[in-house]
Amino acid sequence: GAVVSQHPSWVICKSGTSVKIECRSLDFQATTMFWYRQFPKQSLMLMATSNEGSKATYEQGVEKDKFLINHASLTLSTLTVTSAHPEDSSFYICSASPLTGESSYNSPLHFGNGTRLTVT
Amino acid sequence: GQNIDQPTEMTATEGAIVQINCTYQTSGFNGLFWYQQHAGEAPTFLSYNVLDGLEEKGRFSSFLSRSKGYSYLLLKELQMKDSASYLCAALDSNYQLIWGAGTKLIIKP
Repeated sequence: GAVVSQHPSWVICKSGTSVKIECRSLDFQATTMFWYRQFPKQSLMLMATSNEGSKATYEQGVEKDKFLINHASLTLSTLTVTSAHPEDSSFYICSASPLTGESSYNSPLHFGNGTRLTVT
Repeated sequence: GQNIDQPTEMTATEGAIVQINCTYQTSGFNGLFWYQQHAGEAPTFLSYNVLDGLEEKGRFSSFLSRSKGYSYLLLKELQMKDSASYLCAALDSNYQLIWGAGTKLIIKP
C-alpha cells in the first residue's frame, strides 16, 4: 500500500536555530503533499499545501518566511522551521495521496509518522 | 463558519460496542472521513462516506446522513488496541478537509 515516510521522528533544538523535516512518498509519486501541525489534544491544522515544482500554498496565519516548504521532486517535500522558538514546539505531520487531480480530493490521505519538535 | 463537532472523550468496555458521533457544518460537502490516531502517531484512514447510509468494514462501520449533517463511527467487539483518538473530517466544496478535534476513546477491561 501507499507509504509516506517522515524524518526525523523527533527533534530537540535550541531557540533561534532551524530544523528541516523531510516527507517522502515511498511507492508513489505525489504531486501534492500537505503539511499539518497538531498541538496536544487539538485537531490537525493544515499549514500549507506543497506543490511539486511550484510555490507552496499557505493557510491564513501561517508565516511563509518562517515555515519554508520545498517540493523539488515528486517524492520529496521538506518543511524547514526557521529561527525556531518554543511556541513552535508541536507535532508536525505530512500527508499525500497516490492519486492526482480531482481523483485525489476524495481519496484517503496517507500520513507520515509525524515529527515531534521541541524547541528549548 | 465551518465546524466539526465530536465528543472529546468516551469510555467503553472491552468486547462492547461504541458509537462516536460527528456533526458538521461546511460550505458545501464532498464527503466525510474517519481516521484513527494512536497517541504520538499519525492518523490512519478508516472510512470515507459521501452517500447516505451505513458502510461496514469488519468491526468498524460508518454512517452518514447528509440532510442532518451527521455521521457516526460504530466500533464493535472492542479490543484494547482500539484505544485511540478518532478524527472526523469533512471535505467542503473546495475539497478542503475540515478536521474535528478528535474523540479520545478509552477502552477498559
